[in-house]
Amino acid sequence: DGGITQSPKYLFRKEGQNVTLSCEQNLNHDAMYWYRQDPGQGLRLIYYSQIVNDFQKGDIAEGYSVSREKKESFPLTVTSAQKNPTAFYLCASSWYDTQYFGPGTRLTVL
Amino acid sequence: QQPVQSPQAVILREGEDAVINCSSSKALYSVHWYRQKHGEAPVFLMILLKGGEQKGHEKISASFNEKKQQSSLYLTASQLSYSGTYFCGTETARDDKIIFGKGTRLHILP
Repeated sequence: DGGITQSPKYLFRKEGQNVTLSCEQNLNHDAMYWYRQDPGQGLRLIYYSQIVNDFQKGDIAEGYSVSREKKESFPLTVTSAQKNPTAFYLCASSWYDTQYFGPGTRLTVL
Repeated sequence: QQPVQSPQAVILREGEDAVINCSSSKALYSVHWYRQKHGEAPVFLMILLKGGEQKGHEKISASFNEKKQQSSLYLTASQLSYSGTYFCGTETARDDKIIFGKGTRLHILP
């Protein structure tokens, strides 16, 4: 089955620790995205990548980092510099004009 | 700039109709509509492109007024399964990043 996988579904970390969220897709899509979702805020773009080894900052990139070494993978690292990291994180890939979302990772920083 | 959605929330009885609006201050290339159930990933509904026609999907359709940079999503004879949060996303150019609105929560009562 083709799709986007994110793991884990729930993640807990202590304050001050970096944490990496996984995103893998087998849809052969070139473009991939990371969004953050907070209650009442909609989806806010963190980073996006339109091709391997290249990525751009979105609207709220501070405190986050990404890599795109393979077409299938676009991991997101939430660093200790992110002041309010607790949120629901969604990864997406796109084919032409349509975005397909993964199931999301709910990160809680204690 | 984030598109503005209205209303923020709607409560309907099964069988009633609903309209959700999305407006932007910028000229648009496309408008995307997604529905998200609680705790799940957003699911693509439809895309409307500049110069394109009104789209339809079962009892859910949408229009795009390019001159006013507005789109409306129409839900006809709503079903319980239509409950969720509806997001519009806008692009100002092809292959540009999508900026999402804050969402409209729709609750259908039996």
